[in-house]
Amino acid sequence: DQQVKQNSPSLSVQEGRISILNCDYTNSMFDYFLWYKKYPAEGPTFLISISSIKDKNEDGRFTVFLNKSAKHLSLHIVPSQPGDSAVYFCAASGGEYGNKLVFGAGTILRVKS
Amino acid sequence: EAEVAQSPRYKITEKSQAVAFWCDPISGHATLYWYRQILGQGPELLVQFQDESVVDDSQLPKDRFSAERLKGVDSTLKIQPAELGDSAMYLCASSLTTGSYNEQFFGPGTRLTVL
Repeated sequence: DQQVKQNSPSLSVQEGRISILNCDYTNSMFDYFLWYKKYPAEGPTFLISISSIKDKNEDGRFTVFLNKSAKHLSLHIVPSQPGDSAVYFCAASGGEYGNKLVFGAGTILRVKS
Repeated sequence: EAEVAQSPRYKITEKSQAVAFWCDPISGHATLYWYRQILGQGPELLVQFQDESVVDDSQLPKDRFSAERLKGVDSTLKIQPAELGDSAMYLCASSLTTGSYNEQFFGPGTRLTVL
């Protein structure tokens, strides 16, 4: 049973436009959410996170929104750049999982120039 | 910049053979994680160490997988015997402590192919 779901396997966006990556979770006890970016042949790198006490966190071009009632979070990238092309993983922790990260399956983002 | 080191980067083996992967975490990081990532899926935690002690190995197939972190620094993950279904990326990560808000830093991974 997948507790963190990324339902879009891939997303294609034009350079300069907004990229929106979505993530849904089922466990209401999760209290910390993260986004990781992964390039081919490299390990995932931390991008941005949000605690369940917040509904928005911003870092430069990256903003994460959390809707706890809908158990949904999204990552916005504005403006999108070709270098953003990568696999994006959503992850959650908390509840019975403690600090263990539960990952979604990832979304491949392609930013076209 | 400090990084998590892993070796080898690629490993091809035949089923029933033994394989071992090595990980050197960022200096000073007490917590070390081994993940397995099957193509098309997200990373799944296999084992977590706090210093030299295992704190979570609930998803580790203990009949064939073993992991150790003898001196609380670097770590080895072993598979014996390897099976076709073990083909995956094996990722090592480390963090300062085990707290929920401690960022995990990942190494480049070892891509295992079992023939």
